[in-house]
Amino acid sequence: GENVEQHPSTLSVQEGDSAVIKCTYSDSASNYFPWYKQELGKRPQLIIDIRSNVGEKKDQRIAVTLNKTAKHFSLHITETQPEDSAVYFCAAFTFRDDKIIFGKGTRLHILP
Amino acid sequence: KAGVTQTPRYLIKTRGQQVTLSCSPISGHRSVSWYQQTPGQGLQFLFEYFSETQRNKGNFPGRFSGRQFSNSRSEMNVSTLELGDSALYLCASSYRTGDINTGELFFGEGSRLTVL
Repeated sequence: GENVEQHPSTLSVQEGDSAVIKCTYSDSASNYFPWYKQELGKRPQLIIDIRSNVGEKKDQRIAVTLNKTAKHFSLHITETQPEDSAVYFCAAFTFRDDKIIFGKGTRLHILP
Repeated sequence: KAGVTQTPRYLIKTRGQQVTLSCSPISGHRSVSWYQQTPGQGLQFLFEYFSETQRNKGNFPGRFSGRQFSNSRSEMNVSTLELGDSALYLCASSYRTGDINTGELFFGEGSRLTVL
């Protein structure tokens, strides 16, 4: 079945700097890759997603890139702000299995 | 539009007991999936229900089961509780069309289970 690995598990960046979180997946049949943000004590919420027919997608300070050949996708956050502090989960949806597999999460700390 | 509602929010059980958790999806969402969240393990998929049928199941023992009712509300049950079952259990609903479910997941706030 699908396996999703996410790195790093913890990331600290200075406010205003950029943050990059990387994920790899194993099943070439995966075709949908969402990213969820979970603030402390809150529910996970979708922040951006990308489908396999697109290489990059941007939404203000957030962007996601997908490399299907290498089977990896990344979340880029520019000009980080204190409210970006949270746990971020990547996920891969596998068409064949029709279920979403999440990475183990990255705890992002924005340092003042 | 009301969000996904999970009850109870917190509960404490002892080993060997069983527990039932409830999830009411967003109105119009017929797909409900369940996840176990533990520190360091992320979100682990338990199962998904659509139109009262279990569509998929994750790699959890048979002690974990679920069902979905005609109004799309779902319940999950864990029998013979073990200490390792302590976790936050999240449900999510999504708008599913046909056989494809590639839509956004809307999560509830979760039910935090502590097993003593």
